[in-house]
Amino acid sequence: DIQMTQSPSTLSASVGDRVTITCRASQSVSGWLAWYQQKPGKAPKLLIYTASTLESGVPSRFSGSASGTEFTLTISGLQPDDSATYYCQQYNYYPFTFGPGTKVEIK
Amino acid sequence: QVQLVQSGAEVKKPGASVKVSCKSSGYNFTDYSFSWVRQVPGQGLEWVGWISAHNGNTDFAEKVQGRVTMTADTSTNTLYMDLRSLTSDDTAVYYCARESPIRYFDLWGRGTLVSVSS
Repeated sequence: DIQMTQSPSTLSASVGDRVTITCRASQSVSGWLAWYQQKPGKAPKLLIYTASTLESGVPSRFSGSASGTEFTLTISGLQPDDSATYYCQQYNYYPFTFGPGTKVEIK
Repeated sequence: QVQLVQSGAEVKKPGASVKVSCKSSGYNFTDYSFSWVRQVPGQGLEWVGWISAHNGNTDFAEKVQGRVTMTADTSTNTLYMDLRSLTSDDTAVYYCARESPIRYFDLWGRGTLVSVSS
């Protein structure tokens, strides 16, 4: 199975800050990488797919990038509504696997 | 309206079975595949298995292999996940999720809490 890691596990930042979350895959996933946002008591919500494509309706302050097996989710200009846990997921091979999550808190 | 509507919370005893449903609407059901994903309260997301609504093909995570059945009823556009021989480790919120044509999850149900306790 492909193992996904994320760092940091938690971060605290101020409104307006630029925030970066890193996700690493244990082997190539050929860019088939998605990012989801999850708020307490809610289902995950798709933000980005194929590593860097923004899902329709998602604010443009969210962006994704890739370099080999390392993927990055950036929030440019953190907003109070961005307080959530963020998960990366590879969908290149079954079993699909998720990163352990990064909890983003607003200072 | 494009949505997935899941059945309500369940409380089961160890060794019992549970059947969770997920009704889809607003799009052509058989054009898609679906996955089930679970989340132990306070923990991360875990893929449970996949089913094609087109032909019923399935694949499951090793952890539930042999204990799970997934079906897709094309007459009612409803997915079912049947999990048997429940243990406390199966206590989780179970989500159904639609897979896009390139397999990321673009639509999620609200989740069904399955609690296993003696």
